[in-house]
Amino acid sequence: DGGITQSPKYLFRKEGQNVTLSCEQNLNHDAMYWYRQDPGQGLRLIYYSQIVNDFQKGDIAEGYSVSREKKESFPLTVTSAQKNPTAFYLCASRNTEAFFGQGTRLTVV
Amino acid sequence: QKEVEQDPGPLSVPEGAIVSLNCTYSNSAFQYFMWYRQYSRKGPELLMYTYSSGNKEDGRFTAQVDKSSKYISLFIRDSQPSDSATYLCATRSAGNKLTFGGGTRVLVKP
Repeated sequence: DGGITQSPKYLFRKEGQNVTLSCEQNLNHDAMYWYRQDPGQGLRLIYYSQIVNDFQKGDIAEGYSVSREKKESFPLTVTSAQKNPTAFYLCASRNTEAFFGQGTRLTVV
Repeated sequence: QKEVEQDPGPLSVPEGAIVSLNCTYSNSAFQYFMWYRQYSRKGPELLMYTYSSGNKEDGRFTAQVDKSSKYISLFIRDSQPSDSATYLCATRSAGNKLTFGGGTRVLVKP
């Protein structure tokens, strides 16, 4: 069945390490997004991609990187340069309406 | 100033009451408007999508857009305890960037 799959659901990272969050969709959507959500907060845009091999920085791109080599996949790398990486990360894809995955909760230990 | 403003709540109502939620936005280029429901530790779920001023109804949910005032609303009739969640409004211009409000936490008490 169609949808957006984020993995893993929970992720633990040591300080100074890079970590990659996976996002896969089989909805044939061109646009894909990464958001960060902190406790009690709304969604803040990290990166978005309108088409394969193209992506734009959002409002809080520093310390993050993405790639869009395939239409179905939009992985997010949280680098060691991100000072406060502990958060809930949400991936979305869009044709007209935007649909979300179930999120990855990243904790720095 | 944030592009989309939303009262964080919490908004507490008794079961069966009407829940009234709203957002204001500042960018007149926003053309598309969405409401999402988010349960704790889950991804947001799309409730309503509209691109014009006026009302749109779907079951117990009514979305209202007033572009002249830059004001969007969501009404939930006959509220249930299962409606307890955080509700997020979102907007988009003709481009692809989606901008969200901060979310309103709703509690429906039995």
